[in-house]
Amino acid sequence: GENVEQHPSTLSVQEGDSAVIKCTYSDSASNYFPWYKQELGKGPQLIIDIRSNVGEKKDQRIAVTLNKTAKHFSLHITETQPEDSAVYFCAASSGLMNYGGSQGNLIFGKGTKLSVKP
Amino acid sequence: SQTIHQWPATLVQPVGSPLSLECTVEGTSNPNLYWYRQAAGRGLQLLFYSVGIGQISSEVPQNLSASRPQDRQFILSSKKLLLSDSGFYLCAWSPGTGPTDTQYFGPGTRLTVL
Repeated sequence: GENVEQHPSTLSVQEGDSAVIKCTYSDSASNYFPWYKQELGKGPQLIIDIRSNVGEKKDQRIAVTLNKTAKHFSLHITETQPEDSAVYFCAASSGLMNYGGSQGNLIFGKGTKLSVKP
Repeated sequence: SQTIHQWPATLVQPVGSPLSLECTVEGTSNPNLYWYRQAAGRGLQLLFYSVGIGQISSEVPQNLSASRPQDRQFILSSKKLLLSDSGFYLCAWSPGTGPTDTQYFGPGTRLTVL
């Protein structure tokens, strides 16, 4: 089955610097890669996602890149702000949901705790 | 717009007591529904998912069960809680049609078993 590894587990940056979080996946059939931000005591919030038919997607200060050949994808946050401090999770899935099958389920990385120091 | 609710927000229960956590989704029809558990400082573990009323798939064998009595209602239950059941329980939904893999999470329930 799919396995997603996420690095680093913790990341500390100064306000205004950039932050990069990387994930690798094992299943070449995976075609959907979302990123979630989880603040303390809250549920994860989808912040950006990418599908395998594109190599990069950007939304204001955040961007995601995908390298299908190498089977890795990355989250880039520019001009970091203290409110970006949170745990970030990457995930991968390989298809649509099926009853009795799990091929559409998201497989999550273990998370990266990002701290932005003012 | 769609919203997802979970209650209670926090719960403290003794070992051996029953459990019922509820999740409801508004603003969409026939969603896929999921229950996850998140242990302290760890990632997300998928417990159950459902693609329709009465259709529940279990990902991890345990003393928990799930039910979907209505289209937009998902319930997580246990007859007897264990200490190891403590954690942060998250409900999520994804569209039943179109891109069905985009999941949106609820606010979570913090469960402490003493």
